Amino acid sequence: DVQLVESGGGLVQPGGSLRLSCAASGFIFSNHWMHWVRQVPGKGLVWLSRINSDGRSTYYVDSVKGRFTISRDNAKNTLYLQINSLRAEDTAIYFCAREFASRWTVDYWGQGTLVTVSS
Amino acid sequence: SYVLTQPPSVSVSPGQTASISCSGDNLGAKYASWYQQKPGQSPVLVIYQDDKRPSGIPERFSGSNSGNTLTLTISGTQAMDEADYYCQAWDNSIVVFGGGTKLTVL
Repeated sequence: DVQLVESGGGLVQPGGSLRLSCAASGFIFSNHWMHWVRQVPGKGLVWLSRINSDGRSTYYVDSVKGRFTISRDNAKNTLYLQINSLRAEDTAIYFCAREFASRWTVDYWGQGTLVTVSS
Repeated sequence: SYVLTQPPSVSVSPGQTASISCSGDNLGAKYASWYQQKPGQSPVLVIYQDDKRPSGIPERFSGSNSGNTLTLTISGTQAMDEADYYCQAWDNSIVVFGGGTKLTVL
């Protein structure tokens, strides 16, 4: 079964940094584009970033360019999201998700990891 | 940037048909998906490529996409279908989500 397990969330002070991880299993990780999406509790889904299968091509929503960096380690079957200069408005649940390219969709999601930015 | 607009809420009686819309400029020319999210859970894909159901999704879920409007239809709506529903489309290489629709079954 496809499994995506996020980790690395927690309480962080404004201005701090955090690296989120997403451990993938149950599929050939290196064959798939991967995504990060966040959700403020009680609010909607916001797409953040995607990375291609070999890690050489990345895309970001305009609002996080320059502060967020997506990366991956195919040897470890792990996706990452580095978040710098954290702000209160970055407080959210962060989901990783797998893209099924030929179906033009994101088909599996992790359970999410909560990031809280507060002093 | 590309915008997808959904109604904030839709209500339906059990056993009736629920329709949730998602509008965007020339959306019919793009492939789109629908996700179901229940409280405290991760989103689940229910429709992809406008009208296709992943394995395990009940046949009562169907989709269509034409013009500027994507539609999710739930026939014979059940109490378990009460959830938030999000549409999603592609804007070049960027993913866009709609704001979400809360489906209430009452």
